[in-house]
Amino acid sequence: GAVVSQHPSWVICKSGTSVKIECRSLDFQATTMFWYRQFPKQSLMLMATSNEGSKATYEQGVEKDKFLINHASLTLSTLTVTSAHPEDSSFYICSARVVGGDSSYEQYFGPGTRLTVT
Amino acid sequence: GQNIDQPTEMTATEGAIVQINCTYQTSGFNGLFWYQQHAGEAPTFLSYNVLDGLEEKGRFSSFLSRSKGYSYLLLKELQMKDSASYLCAVRWNTDKLIFGTGTRLQVFP
Repeated sequence: GAVVSQHPSWVICKSGTSVKIECRSLDFQATTMFWYRQFPKQSLMLMATSNEGSKATYEQGVEKDKFLINHASLTLSTLTVTSAHPEDSSFYICSARVVGGDSSYEQYFGPGTRLTVT
Repeated sequence: GQNIDQPTEMTATEGAIVQINCTYQTSGFNGLFWYQQHAGEAPTFLSYNVLDGLEEKGRFSSFLSRSKGYSYLLLKELQMKDSASYLCAVRWNTDKLIFGTGTRLQVFP
C-alpha cells in the first residue's frame, strides 16, 4: 500500500524560531499533498493544499507567510512554521493523493509531527 | 459553509453494535470517507462511499444517502481496541477533504 512518512515525528523549539516538517510519499508519486493541523481533542483542520511545482492554496484564516509550504518534487512537500509561538503547538499531519490511480479519491496520511513551542 | 456534523462522544459495550452518524451539506458532494484515529496517531482509512448504499468491510460498514446528506458508520462485535475517534470526511467538488468534528467512541468491557 501507499506509504507516507513525516519527519520529524516530534519537535520542541523555542518561541521565535522556525521549524521545517517534511512529508514524503515513499512508494508513489503525489502531485497533491495536504497539510492538516489538529489541536488536542479536536478534529483535523485543513491548512493548505500543496501542488507540485506551483504555489500552495491556503484555507481561510491560515497565514501563508507564517506557514510556508514548498512542494518541489512529486514525493516531497515541506511545511515551515516561521517564528513559531506557543499557540502553534499542535499535531501537524500531511496526506498525499495517489496520481491517477483508480483509488485516486483516497488520501494516505503520514504519521504526524507533534510540535511543541516553548 | 461546508458543515459536517457528528456526535461528539459515544459509549458502547464490548460485543455490541454501534452506529455513528454523520450529516453534511449536499451541494457539490463528491465522496465521503470514514477514518479511525487513535490518540496521538494519524487517521487510518476505514471506508469510502460515493454512491448510495451500504459498503461492508468485515466488522465495519458504512452507509450513504446522498439525497439526505447522511452517512453512518456501523461497528459490529465491538472490541476494546475499537475505542478511538471516528472521523467523517467529505470531499466537495475538489480534491480536498473536510473533516467533521470526530466522534470519540469508548468501549467498555
